[in-house]
Amino acid sequence: DTGVSQDPRHKITKRGQNVTFRCDPISEHNRLYWYRQTLGQGPEFLTYFQNEAQLEKSRLLSDRFSAERPKGSFSTLEIQRTEQGDSAMYLCASSAHPGHSGNTIYFGEGSWLTVV
Amino acid sequence: GIQVEQSPPDLILQEGANSTLRCNFSDSVNNLQWFHQNPWGQLINLFYIPSGTKQNGRLSATTVATERYSLLYISSSQTTDSGVYFCAVELDRGSTLGRLYFGRGTQLTVWP
Repeated sequence: DTGVSQDPRHKITKRGQNVTFRCDPISEHNRLYWYRQTLGQGPEFLTYFQNEAQLEKSRLLSDRFSAERPKGSFSTLEIQRTEQGDSAMYLCASSAHPGHSGNTIYFGEGSWLTVV
Repeated sequence: GIQVEQSPPDLILQEGANSTLRCNFSDSVNNLQWFHQNPWGQLINLFYIPSGTKQNGRLSATTVATERYSLLYISSSQTTDSGVYFCAVELDRGSTLGRLYFGRGTQLTVWP
């Protein structure tokens, strides 16, 4: 169990550029989530995949944001035409089908985005 | 959506002291987790505790689902306990499975 991996850990980009983050969930987990966290706040839900199907998107996920999980394994989150308000930490999480431990959700280390 | 309130927002302790963190939530939940966010941003699972009491070393947690609150106890605190503690809940109806709603956290600072 190597945990949830995210890449890159830090990204500084100029306003207007596109950025992409990658998430590798825990290998046997079929559920994958993206959250966003700004300073002083708790994480906020962005979107959810079960296997390769994107089942829910938050209203926080504007048209400039797109997420994919093409083979039901890793996922990417792309932000087009970045704005300064996109500066945040983007967290990926995964969970297995609820079992004896319920639906425990495990988070990666996050990808910090700074838009300058 | 559900409201999740954590208290206190900030807590400063000397090493060795005990503390209690509280999480109140406004609706019925089927999942409640406590996390510790370290200075590098990693959210570390402490407890999955939708109800009842669990203990893990110096930490323990109790959730009283019928009264919509949970408590996290830290005993004999150490400097490595410093960081932000988050409570997160999942609604038991009308919501995405696994969609967690977080409180704003309790910032804990433990001094040597």
